[in-house]
Amino acid sequence: DGGITQSPKYLFRKEGQNVTLSCEQNLNHDAMYWYRQDPGQGLRLIYYSQIVNDFQKGDIAEGYSVSREKKESFPLTVTSAQKNPTAFYLCASSIGLAGDNEQYFGPGTRLTVT
Amino acid sequence: GQSLEQPSEVTAVEGAIVQINCTYQTSGFYGLSWYQQHDGGAPTFLSYNALDGLEETGRFSSFLSRSDSYGYLLLQELQMKDSASYFCAVKSSGGSYIPTFGRGTSLIVHP
Repeated sequence: DGGITQSPKYLFRKEGQNVTLSCEQNLNHDAMYWYRQDPGQGLRLIYYSQIVNDFQKGDIAEGYSVSREKKESFPLTVTSAQKNPTAFYLCASSIGLAGDNEQYFGPGTRLTVT
Repeated sequence: GQSLEQPSEVTAVEGAIVQINCTYQTSGFYGLSWYQQHDGGAPTFLSYNALDGLEETGRFSSFLSRSDSYGYLLLQELQMKDSASYFCAVKSSGGSYIPTFGRGTSLIVHP
């Protein structure tokens, strides 16, 4: 079955630690995205990537970093510089950007930093 | 920049019809999408409108008026399982064709 996987589902970290969230897709999609969702908020774009070895900052990239070494994988690192990292993180993919209508989302990772 | 407005909450009873509105401001409008998200789950795609008019998919329909920068999602024959959050998302050249999401509308369906 094709789809997007994110792991783990729940993640707990101490303040000051970096943490990496996994995102893998086997849909053969070129574009991948990371969103952050806070209670009562919409999805806010952190980073996106159109092709391997290329990625762009979204609206709230500060304190986050990504890599895109393989088409299937787009891990997100939440660094200690992120002021308020506790949130629900969603990874998504699509065939491309312009001209494509649908994003496919992973199940999300709920990160709690104390 | 881009902005979207949608109601924060809508309530309805089972079997009824409900409309969730979305107004947007953007440059270089390309299309408007709707997503459904159950509590703690992943958003799933419902519909997409690039041209004016109504698109129907089963119990769900989506409407777009480009001249009014307005769209809505219409849910008919409501079921309890339709209780979820619904997000509109706009795609535009001004936003590099990356969907910008509204804050979401929580739909509560009562028996």
